[in-house]
Amino acid sequence: KAGVTQTPRYLIKTRGQQVTLSCSPISGHRSVSWYQQTPGQGLQFLFEYFSETQRNKGNFPGRFSGRQFSNSRSEMNVSTLELGDSALYLCASSLPREGYLATGELFFGEGSRLTVL
Amino acid sequence: AQKITQTQPGMFVQEKEAVTLDCTYDTSDQSYGLFWYKQPSSGEMIFLIYQGSYDEQNATEGRYSLNFQKARKSANLVISASQLGDSAMYFCAMREGQDGGFKTIFGAGTRLFVKA
Repeated sequence: KAGVTQTPRYLIKTRGQQVTLSCSPISGHRSVSWYQQTPGQGLQFLFEYFSETQRNKGNFPGRFSGRQFSNSRSEMNVSTLELGDSALYLCASSLPREGYLATGELFFGEGSRLTVL
Repeated sequence: AQKITQTQPGMFVQEKEAVTLDCTYDTSDQSYGLFWYKQPSSGEMIFLIYQGSYDEQNATEGRYSLNFQKARKSANLVISASQLGDSAMYFCAMREGQDGGFKTIFGAGTRLFVKA
């Protein structure tokens, strides 16, 4: 079974530009979440999507947005890039299991490393 | 407010010995899940072990066990018989939420160094 695939793996942008990152979840996984990882802030939750709907959002400015398609693939977009947006962006998919027996472990991609100059 | 606290930025352990990585959490939910993930230097995040808030027995997965003390809100990871390949960053995480939306939040991590 193929894992979570993120593209591109590495990219360099300049301040003010915008970037789109892509994530293909494990087949059958309908929940996709995004995280930003930096040395100073650690792993910060960005958003979670399920069946094309954003169900939860972290504490990030509106420059960060995302969407999920009907095939569960997801994209996130960062507009008007700032130096502080340099980070590893991790996508994770899961099988959301609601209620008492909920587990919902995350399966992560290898990440997209964004450098903003 | 910090919801997942890992107080050990770095830990050293001798190969073949056991090590405990600490994690405390804060939530007002009754139903939640606790996880540990490993991140080697290569960067990928690997799921290790899960403990549900209603599980009465501590979770175990091979050399990994989770010491769950609900009243103290702690979920420490115990790695038995450490191996050199265990050197990595370890994150404690909690999944909380309702049917309308879940999110998993992570602690700051503990970097484990296994010495030969």
